[in-house]
Amino acid sequence: DAMVIQNPRYQVTQFGKPVTLSCSQTLNHNVMYWYQQKSSQAPKLLFHYYDKDFNNEADTPDNFQSRRPNTSFCFLDIRSPGLGDAAMYLCATSSAQGSTDTQYFGPGTRLTVL
Amino acid sequence: RKEVEQDPGPFNVPEGATVAFNCTYSNSASQSFFWYRQDCRKEPKLLMSVYSSGNEDGRFTAQLNRASQYISLLIRDSKLSDSATYLCVVNHPGGYNKLIFGAGTRLAVHP
Repeated sequence: DAMVIQNPRYQVTQFGKPVTLSCSQTLNHNVMYWYQQKSSQAPKLLFHYYDKDFNNEADTPDNFQSRRPNTSFCFLDIRSPGLGDAAMYLCATSSAQGSTDTQYFGPGTRLTVL
Repeated sequence: RKEVEQDPGPFNVPEGATVAFNCTYSNSASQSFFWYRQDCRKEPKLLMSVYSSGNEDGRFTAQLNRASQYISLLIRDSKLSDSATYLCVVNHPGGYNKLIFGAGTRLAVHP
């Protein structure tokens, strides 16, 4: 009964080789988020979708892009991964954008850049 | 200054101990406050929301002081299974559900 699913759980890529991380949800939530969490640091919001509306955080590098083809799926594309992009990437969902709406996290994808 | 600050720890405590974590936040307009728990190499999971009146869930008590912009989490009768990183989380006011996470306080409970 997994609710937020991320694939793959572990991803190894080479420096500069594009990579796509996948997130799907069975909750039918309107909002999907992508966070980056580096070792011993706080999760940092990269962007989020409210339905089809894309909202990029001001400090998210252009190297990071996202697609949401339908309610259930959301993808994170890293166009040219650098060594500094090695991190855990967390997908989360919430039913709405209200400040009290709980965010549900997927298990994360751990990205290694060689 | 970070928007949410926590003592990184680690806090090493024996089973049965009471331990308290503190957190401060910088944006006085924040309205929602949470504690999340994150196990090693796993995703954050909501532990509890924090209300101005204070709230308790079993062995866990959360307090909020808006005037001081301070949040606390008290864990009583610590269990080995409480070992994790505890993340203080605050919503960023501004129209959508943006959460600002602290870097977390690591707790290690030993026998």
